[in-house]
Amino acid sequence: EIVMTQTPLSLSVTPGEAASISCRSSQSLLDSDDGKTYLDWYLQKPGQSPQLLIYTLSYRASGVPDRFSGSGSGSDFTLKISRVEADDVGIYYCMQRVDLPLTFGQGTRLEIK
Amino acid sequence: QVHLIQSGAEMRKPGSSVKVACRASGGTFGNYSITWVRQAPGQGPVWMGQIIPLFGFTNYTQRLQGRVTITADESTGTAYMDLVSLKSGDSAVYFCATGELGGPPSHWGQGTQVTVSS
Repeated sequence: EIVMTQTPLSLSVTPGEAASISCRSSQSLLDSDDGKTYLDWYLQKPGQSPQLLIYTLSYRASGVPDRFSGSGSGSDFTLKISRVEADDVGIYYCMQRVDLPLTFGQGTRLEIK
Repeated sequence: QVHLIQSGAEMRKPGSSVKVACRASGGTFGNYSITWVRQAPGQGPVWMGQIIPLFGFTNYTQRLQGRVTITADESTGTAYMDLVSLKSGDSAVYFCATGELGGPPSHWGQGTQVTVSS
């Protein structure tokens, strides 16, 4: 199975500042058949279910503010939050779905300073 | 927008089984897939398997060694996750999630706590 590795495991950010989370996969997430990269990002707020933020590398899910952006290629990916807000606290997970089983990173906990 | 409602918390003894239900508020899954994920305390989500109700296709993680079965009843818009031969390590919150075919799990249920203890 594809192993997903996130860094850092935690970060503390001042409101209004930017934040960046890295995710690396043990093999490329590029589907050579359709040219798409199947990497998604989720946020799990305390006590809640995961919510989809970014899908297929860089597409924002419905209702997700444009402060959130996804980028990368092959096996190296980044989630960026341009201006962190208090409501952004929680654990961020990357997930690959280019191959079964779907696999998640271990998560990055975002705290507000 | 799809809204998923899961059945309530369960307590089971080791060696028994549990069946968790996941109902779509609109009463049908349409051409969506249903994914089941579990999350142990303090851990990240782990994919268990999925079903495409329209075609009846299923895929499962090999980690569970054949102990999990996912089914769907299109007439009621309800999916089920059945886990047998329960162990203490199966204690977790179990989530169902749905998404368009070929898309990500985009709408998630509220989660069902399953506790396995003697």
